This record gives sequence, C-alpha cells and structure tokens, in this order.
Amino acid sequence: DAMVIQNPRYQVTQFGKPVTLSCSQTLNHNVMYWYQQKSSQAPKLLFHYYDKDFNNEADTPDNFQSRRPNTSFCFLDIRSPGLGDAAMYLCATSNFATFNEQFFGPGTRLTVL
Amino acid sequence: DQQVKQNSPSLSVQEGRISILNCDYTNSMFDYFLWYKKYPAEGPTFLISISSIKDKNEDGRFTVFLNKSAKHLSLHIVPSQPGDSAVYFCAASAPQGAQKLVFGQGTRLTINP
Repeated sequence: DAMVIQNPRYQVTQFGKPVTLSCSQTLNHNVMYWYQQKSSQAPKLLFHYYDKDFNNEADTPDNFQSRRPNTSFCFLDIRSPGLGDAAMYLCATSNFATFNEQFFGPGTRLTVL
Repeated sequence: DQQVKQNSPSLSVQEGRISILNCDYTNSMFDYFLWYKKYPAEGPTFLISISSIKDKNEDGRFTVFLNKSAKHLSLHIVPSQPGDSAVYFCAASAPQGAQKLVFGQGTRLTINP
C-alpha cells in the first residue's frame, strides 16, 4: 500500500542534543510537510517542500531545519532541542493538484529530557 | 490568533444517534474546508471536504455543512457507530495559501454503546 512512513515512532533526546526525524513516502507526491503538534493543540505547520522548493513558516524557530534529498524522503533536524520542543511531529504529503487532501504519517513523538 | 477553532474539546454520543462537530473560522479568505479523523497512534486521515461554493457535501454517513456568513462549519455523523470514536480536526485553506492547511485543535468524539 502506498503510504507515509515516519521513523522513529518515539524519540528521546537530551536537552541541547541534535536530533533528526525522518519521513518517507511511496505516494510520489511532490509536496511534503512537517507539522508540530503539542498536546490538545492544533497541528502547526513548520515548513513544506514543493518539489525542492523549501517554504518556511514565518514563526518557525531557527532551531528547526529540514532537508529533502529526493522526492521520497524528507528530514526534520532540531539543532538544539529544548524542553518546549517535546511534541508529536507529523509528516504529510500531497499532490499539487489536490493539495488540500494531505496524507499523514503516524507521527514521531519526541521527548526531551 | 487562531484562525480555525473547535470550541468543544470532547463530545460523547450514544451509538445510533447523530454526532455534530462544530468548527468556526475567522479568515474570510478561506475557500476550502476539510475534516480529518485521527485514531490513537495513527496520523490524521482525510474524511470529507467542502468548497466555499457549496453549503453541503455528503458522503455516506458523513455530511459537512458550511455557513459562510457565520464562518461556521459542522460535521454530522449519522448514525454514529463505535468505530467513529476518534479525534476530529477541522482544517481550512485559502487560495493564496500555497498548499497550506490551517487546523483546529480537534474534538474528541466518543460513541457509547
């Protein structure tokens, strides 16, 4: 089945220790998104790629960066995680023609100690 | 400054009855609205959508109503089934939104047998 895969599902890191979350897709979609969702809050868009074109949200902290080496993979790098970065991180994809219908992965829950 | 709001964090409904989930928005530029459903340990999945040129869209047991003058939409599920127990997110997009969705905080629906 075509899908969006996120690894790892659970990630524990220490305060200030860089961490990378990974997302891959078999849908061949040209748009990929990273969202941050804290408990009982709305998913918040951090950035998205349209093909290789990177689009950062204005309020995304500099601590968060992303890479998309090819169509299938996208990475979220948190350079110096703080306690406030503990959250669920959701990756999603869409086809530009039907971009509203985003397909989500299961998420990576990040814990910062 | 939350542009999409779901004011009910939770809703409990008897099996077989109608479930009504509500969503309000503030941005008059939004022209497309979606509902996503999320089970625990899974990513959100697309459920149903509506364009601003319509006021109703139906798909099986699910109907979405849009009231543009009130900037309000609702999702009706009838009859409600135990498998409908999940968190429901409302989302919206604008024409200049560059493939972006703005999500509400979600409503946890519990269907009681």
